[in-house]
Amino acid sequence: KAGVTQTPRYLIKTRGQQVTLSCSPISGHRSVSWYQQTPGQGLQFLFEYFSETQRNKGNFPGRFSGRQFSNSRSEMNVSTLELGDSALYLCASSLGVGGSYTFGSGTRLTVV
Amino acid sequence: DQQVKQNSPSLSVQEGRISILNCDYTNSMFDYFLWYKKYPAEGPTFLISISSIKDKNEDGRFTVFLNKSAKHLSLHIVPSQPGDSAVYFCAASTPENRDDKIIFGKGTRLHILP
Repeated sequence: KAGVTQTPRYLIKTRGQQVTLSCSPISGHRSVSWYQQTPGQGLQFLFEYFSETQRNKGNFPGRFSGRQFSNSRSEMNVSTLELGDSALYLCASSLGVGGSYTFGSGTRLTVV
Repeated sequence: DQQVKQNSPSLSVQEGRISILNCDYTNSMFDYFLWYKKYPAEGPTFLISISSIKDKNEDGRFTVFLNKSAKHLSLHIVPSQPGDSAVYFCAASTPENRDDKIIFGKGTRLHILP
């Protein structure tokens, strides 16, 4: 079966712009989580959506937001981009039991 | 405040020898632990997990040990192979957040030397 698909794979934006990243989970998975990976901080939890509702949120500013659609696809938006937002953004989907996630390949965002 | 700590950013091990990756945690409510492996330009892939009711779980060359009193777990890979070179993330969850929020460590980069 198809894995978790994230688009685009690479993105270059300038400071102050906004960006939207997309994630399509594995078919049947209703939980989608977003993580930011940077060399210094490792994997940091952004937020999690389940059945179109945000269930949990990490410690990121309000510039980071997301949503989930009825088909479980999720989008993440970052407004007013800063240089420090340059990172690999990973999406993970889960059936729910056991906490085992399947990750996408990520979107590499570079802010210049 | 790092609840899951991987204090070694990198580790080099000779091919064929045992690789031991360590992880410490601070939250006593964690009851489920996972290890993920990540290659460059790819998302992490699930490797092995352990519930707090066990102290060992084995899957082929991979064994995870859990010491609850020390709040410490380790991943043993034996024998180490070149394809094991990757970043390994330790992760943990609580019963309340089983399905929606996993806390990851910063990762340990494992280099398998020929």
